[in-house]
Amino acid sequence: KAGVTQTPRYLIKTRGQQVTLSCSPISGHRSVSWYQQTPGQGLQFLFEYFSETQRNKGNFPGRFSGRQFSNSRSEMNVSTLELGDSALYLCASTPRGGAKNEQFFGPGTRLTVL
Amino acid sequence: SQQGEEDPQALSIQEGENATMNCSYKTSINNLQWYRQNSGRGLVHLILIRSNEREKHSGRLRVTLDTSKKSSSLLITASRAADTASYFCATDPPGANSKLTFGKGITLSVRP
Repeated sequence: KAGVTQTPRYLIKTRGQQVTLSCSPISGHRSVSWYQQTPGQGLQFLFEYFSETQRNKGNFPGRFSGRQFSNSRSEMNVSTLELGDSALYLCASTPRGGAKNEQFFGPGTRLTVL
Repeated sequence: SQQGEEDPQALSIQEGENATMNCSYKTSINNLQWYRQNSGRGLVHLILIRSNEREKHSGRLRVTLDTSKKSSSLLITASRAADTASYFCATDPPGANSKLTFGKGITLSVRP
């Protein structure tokens, strides 16, 4: 089975722009979670989607949003980028029937905001 | 705030030695998981231990869980240079819509 894939792998944007990141979960996985990882804050939970519905949300401003499509693929969007949004954005999927929150991660998208 | 707190923050050992990493947490959990991350890449799920389990093995990995002390340890035996990575513990609290919460990680360096 193919693993979780994320595109693009690297992205450079400037302040004020917006960005959309994409995640394709492992086939058959219906839950997708997004995390932001920075050296200072570590791994911070952004949101989780299940069956196209947002099931959980972390403490991030409304500039961060996401969605999930009927094929379980997910996108996250960050509008009005700030320098502090520079981070590794990780997507993870959870298997059906597995232990709750057992997550399988993609390689991440490295976002740099200049 | 972080639920899981790993200890030590950094660990440097010689190849062949054992590496022990600890994780403490604050609230009750359904399960605790350990992940590995190689420099700047995605996390790899290593092992999950449920709250009613005390010890679990997977290859060279041994995880223990003490729910009375709210702590877990990850032991890597006979370490290899390829084990050099950051290791994170993550706790899954009770609740249907609970989210996995990660610690800040331990940087393990294995010297050849």
